[in-house]
Amino acid sequence: GQQLNQSPQSMFIQEGEDVSMNCTSSSIFNTWLWYKQDPGEGPVLLIALYKAGELTSNGRLTAQFGITRKDSFLNISASIPSDVGIYFCAGRNNAGNMLTFGGGTRLMVKP
Amino acid sequence: ETGVTQTPRHLVMGMTNKKSLKCEQHLGHNAMYWYKQSAKKPLELMFVYNFKEQTENNSVPSRFSPECPNSSHLFLHLHTLQPEDSALYLCASSQHSSGTVETQYFGPGTRLLVL
Repeated sequence: GQQLNQSPQSMFIQEGEDVSMNCTSSSIFNTWLWYKQDPGEGPVLLIALYKAGELTSNGRLTAQFGITRKDSFLNISASIPSDVGIYFCAGRNNAGNMLTFGGGTRLMVKP
Repeated sequence: ETGVTQTPRHLVMGMTNKKSLKCEQHLGHNAMYWYKQSAKKPLELMFVYNFKEQTENNSVPSRFSPECPNSSHLFLHLHTLQPEDSALYLCASSQHSSGTVETQYFGPGTRLLVL
C-alpha cells in the first residue's frame, strides 16, 4: 500500500530556532494535510494544501505542496515551548476519502 | 475543541469484557472514521462510514465491531480483546462529496488498556 516517509522522526531544538520537517511518497497525492498531536489528545489540523506548488501559512507555520505532488514540507519559525508535540503529515489521492499518514515527527523545544 | 467528542477518554478492560467506545461529531459532516494509534506506529485506519454506510474495513479483526446509527454518531464495540489491542483509538469526521476534497477532524481519542 501507499506509504509516507516523514523525517526527521524526532527533533530537539532550542527555543527561538526554526524547524523544518518533510514528507515524501512514492505515489502522487492531491491533498496534503499537516496535523499536530499533543500528548493524550487527538491530532489537530494545522494546514491543508490542495494544489501542487501551493504555499500556505498559519501564523508561524508554513507548509508547501511539492511540485511533483509527492512531497510536502512544514516549517515552524521562532519555535516556542508550546510547539512541543508530534507533527503528522497526511496525504489523500483520488481514491475516495482515505488519508495516508506519515509516522510523525516528535518535536521537543528547550526553553 | 474540534467538534468531535469521544467517550470514555480512558478505558481499562479485561480480555473477556465487552465495552463500547462512542464518538459524536457536531460539525454536520457525513463521513466518520475509526483509527488506531499504537506507540511508534503511523495512524492505522480501521473503518470508514460514508452516509452511515460502511465503505471501508481495513482488515480489522472481528473482535472490533463498528456501528453508525446516524451521521453524527459512531460506536466501536469491543469484545474478547487482546493485550496488543491496547492503543489510542481516534474518531474523525469529514464532509465527503464526490469530486471535492475534504479534511478530517479528530476527536481526543480513547486510551484503551487491555489486561
